[in-house]
Amino acid sequence: GDSVTQTEGQVALSEEDFLTIHCNYSASGYPALFWYVQYPGEGPQFLFRASRDKEKGSSRGFEATYDKGTTSFHLRKASVQESDSAVYYCALGPLGFNKLTFGAGTRLAVCP
Amino acid sequence: GGIITQTPKFLIGQEGQKLTLKCQQNFNHDTMYWYRQDSGKGLRLIYYSITENDLQKGDLSEGYDASREKKSSFSLTVTSAQKNEMAVFLCASSDWGSNYAEQFFGPGTRLTVL
Repeated sequence: GDSVTQTEGQVALSEEDFLTIHCNYSASGYPALFWYVQYPGEGPQFLFRASRDKEKGSSRGFEATYDKGTTSFHLRKASVQESDSAVYYCALGPLGFNKLTFGAGTRLAVCP
Repeated sequence: GGIITQTPKFLIGQEGQKLTLKCQQNFNHDTMYWYRQDSGKGLRLIYYSITENDLQKGDLSEGYDASREKKSSFSLTVTSAQKNEMAVFLCASSDWGSNYAEQFFGPGTRLTVL
């Protein structure tokens, strides 16, 4: 079945550091890829998606590029802020259907 | 905009007890979902419903029942709570028929079983 692997369980950075969270997927067909963010005490929120190879999704300074060759959708941000501290989930969804498969999540802590 | 409301916010049960969690959405979305969130395991799909009175099993449906009485509400029942179980149950909704539509999540119900 489909699966999503997030390499980092936790990431600790200082403000203005560069962020990379690695996401690799395994799926049949050509899925859409998503990033969601979850702040303490809240449910996950949609960050952005990409649905075809080489497409870049972006929002709030975060970005990721769909790479079918390496089956990856790594999340990046050039300069993190303390307010970015949250749990980030990579997810995939098959064409034409809204059922998502989520990764285990990466907890980001940004210190001022 | 819209909102998803989950009740209760905290649920404490006893081993073997039947427990019901409720979810309401006012987005007028067709599809609703129940996920279980465990630390370090991400979100796992328990049940989803494409439309009123429809039910589909997810990857983690054993030990749970669900009910979609009307378009705006979706209930989840833990049929027999397991001792020392702790998890957050998240309800979500999305449009059906729209490719790659985002899911909107509620704040969750935190379950503790004594």
